[in-house]
Amino acid sequence: GQQLNQSPQSMFIQEGEDVSMNCTSSSIFNTWLWYKQDPGEGPVLLIALYKAGELTSNGRLTAQFGITRKDSFLNISASIPSDVGIYFCAGQLMGSGAGSYQLTFGKGTKLSVIP
Amino acid sequence: DAGITQSPRHKVTETGTPVTLRCHQTENHRYMYWYRQDPGHGLRLIHYSYGVKDTDKGEVSDGYSVSRSKTEDFLLTLESATSSQTSVYFCAISGTGGNQPQHFGDGTRLSIL
Repeated sequence: GQQLNQSPQSMFIQEGEDVSMNCTSSSIFNTWLWYKQDPGEGPVLLIALYKAGELTSNGRLTAQFGITRKDSFLNISASIPSDVGIYFCAGQLMGSGAGSYQLTFGKGTKLSVIP
Repeated sequence: DAGITQSPRHKVTETGTPVTLRCHQTENHRYMYWYRQDPGHGLRLIHYSYGVKDTDKGEVSDGYSVSRSKTEDFLLTLESATSSQTSVYFCAISGTGGNQPQHFGDGTRLSIL
């Protein structure tokens, strides 16, 4: 199946710094999603991108859907301690079951913020 | 929260026993999914449902079965649990009408000894 390469795997940053992470794939996706997961909880949707070239913001978060439809990046500006967690990218394609969609996930970027 | 309840939240059982995990949603969404999350593998799709009694296999379906007898409930069954099925299991839902993103429950941590 499709594979997503997410980088970096982990990063340690100082509070207030900006963060950038990205996902690349050998396959084309029609949707890119970014999720954040805190310990003991499920992934929470941060941003959804539906068109190639789309740039979308959600507060201090900005994500872009690559022109080739094979990549996406997520930026976090002015990081704060509560940004700590694991960030996952996911590419979405139509599945075989009556209009369903299937997600392929990257392996995550673990973010640590040093106060 | 997206109106998703997974039960139980934690379970420890022995190899060879049957196990059923439940996902309950209050959103009346058409699509429901079961994933497992393991270190080094991220989230992988086990099975999904696109309507009552309509299900299909995902990437890692071997050893698992599912059932959906009503819109709000999606059950995942391990007929004879093995240690390789120790994992955290997540349910997700998504709505009809285009390319709706999936929303996740808080997971079930399953340990098979």
